[in-house]
Amino acid sequence: AQSVTQPDIHITVSEGASLELRCNYSYGATPYLFWYVQSPGQGLQLLLKYFSGDTLVQGIKGFEAEFKRSQSSFNLRKPSVHWSDAAEYFCAVLTGGGNKLTFGTGTQLKVEL
Amino acid sequence: EAGVTQSPTHLIKTRGQQATLRCSPISGHTSVYWYQQALGLGLQFLLWYDEGEERNRGNFPPRFSGRQFPNYSSELNVNALELEDSALYLCASGRGRMDTQYFGPGTRLTVL
Repeated sequence: AQSVTQPDIHITVSEGASLELRCNYSYGATPYLFWYVQSPGQGLQLLLKYFSGDTLVQGIKGFEAEFKRSQSSFNLRKPSVHWSDAAEYFCAVLTGGGNKLTFGTGTQLKVEL
Repeated sequence: EAGVTQSPTHLIKTRGQQATLRCSPISGHTSVYWYQQALGLGLQFLLWYDEGEERNRGNFPPRFSGRQFPNYSSELNVNALELEDSALYLCASGRGRMDTQYFGPGTRLTVL
């Protein structure tokens, strides 16, 4: 069955430090992958997506992610974290014939000033 | 460009009642998706509507239903509410299969 694993439930980083959030997927075909961010009590905002092509994708707010087929991973990175990046981050894969998102359990990011 | 909108923001109901949640997609999008985000259960796919038809549903009982109107807006109805239906209900829109889904702010449903 298709699934997404985010191994880190909570991550704390200092402002200005680099960030990497891990995501592993299990999907038989070529995956369509996404990262979303959710602030408390809010909806999901799309950060970036991978459909095909260049395996390093750029997103909003200075985020990037790299698709590695051999490792079934799609890790999210940011070179320098800002306090406003504190939120919950969800990795997702498009499944069910391309009409539903299967999400990971999320990673809660805390930023220390 | 206006994003996905949802109403109401909050909804409080008692067990056994019915709840109706509404969603307006981004202009030009024909698909509407509904997801439930319940505490401890994560984000779960509920329903997909496209061109006025229900195309797919997740592992939820039939008391979760909805419809899509000719203007592509959508309603989610939850009948015979149970305490465990308390959750944030998120609506997303897109252009159909194999496309990006853009989310609204959600409706917080509380069942007492």
